[in-house]
Amino acid sequence: DAGVIQSPRHEVTEMGQEVTLRCKPISGHDYLFWYRQTMMRGLELLIYFNNNVPIDDSGMPEDRFSAKMPNASFSTLKIQPSEPRDSAVYFCASSPQGDYGYTFGSGTRLTVV
Amino acid sequence: AQTVTQSQPEMSVQEAETVTLSCTYDTSESDYYLFWYKQPPSRQMILVIRQEAYKQQNATENRFSVNFQKAAKSFSLKISDSQLGDAAMYFCAYSRNQFYFGTGTSLTVIP
Repeated sequence: DAGVIQSPRHEVTEMGQEVTLRCKPISGHDYLFWYRQTMMRGLELLIYFNNNVPIDDSGMPEDRFSAKMPNASFSTLKIQPSEPRDSAVYFCASSPQGDYGYTFGSGTRLTVV
Repeated sequence: AQTVTQSQPEMSVQEAETVTLSCTYDTSESDYYLFWYKQPPSRQMILVIRQEAYKQQNATENRFSVNFQKAAKSFSLKISDSQLGDAAMYFCAYSRNQFYFGTGTSLTVIP
């Protein structure tokens, strides 16, 4: 298995632009998680899905952030409009069970200028 | 709320020596999972070792082992025969319906 695949690996965008991050989980993993990592706040859970259904989005910072999982093999995290404070590394992770342990993607480093 | 504490922001170890990274957590649950993840400069998060709380036996993975003290809510990671490739940020994590990560310990391996 190729693991969790995220794209793009790096994204630089201007403030106010829309940004879409993509994730392909490991086949057969029923749980998908989106995390944000910054030096100041560490790893923050943004949202997670179980069987394509969003279960907990309480970590989504504000309405500018949205996430979808249209099928078992694809998820997106969208920021519209983007702001400089959104600059971070965004990780997607998947798991066969909620507690069992994640497999992380390689992350997307987002820079908003 | 569950919290995970890593009290050592930075640690260093001589190559081939042994180092122990500390982690404590707070929970009222009896059944949960604990993990150590490694994040090298490549930023990939890599699962190092997993411990199930109902198992008394400490988990081991090659040169990596844990000292799980359930009553003390302590979960330390021991790295034996340290190698240059072990240099990374190490995160302790607790899971019971949701993951909680510690703030990380940056490990430097000195040649």
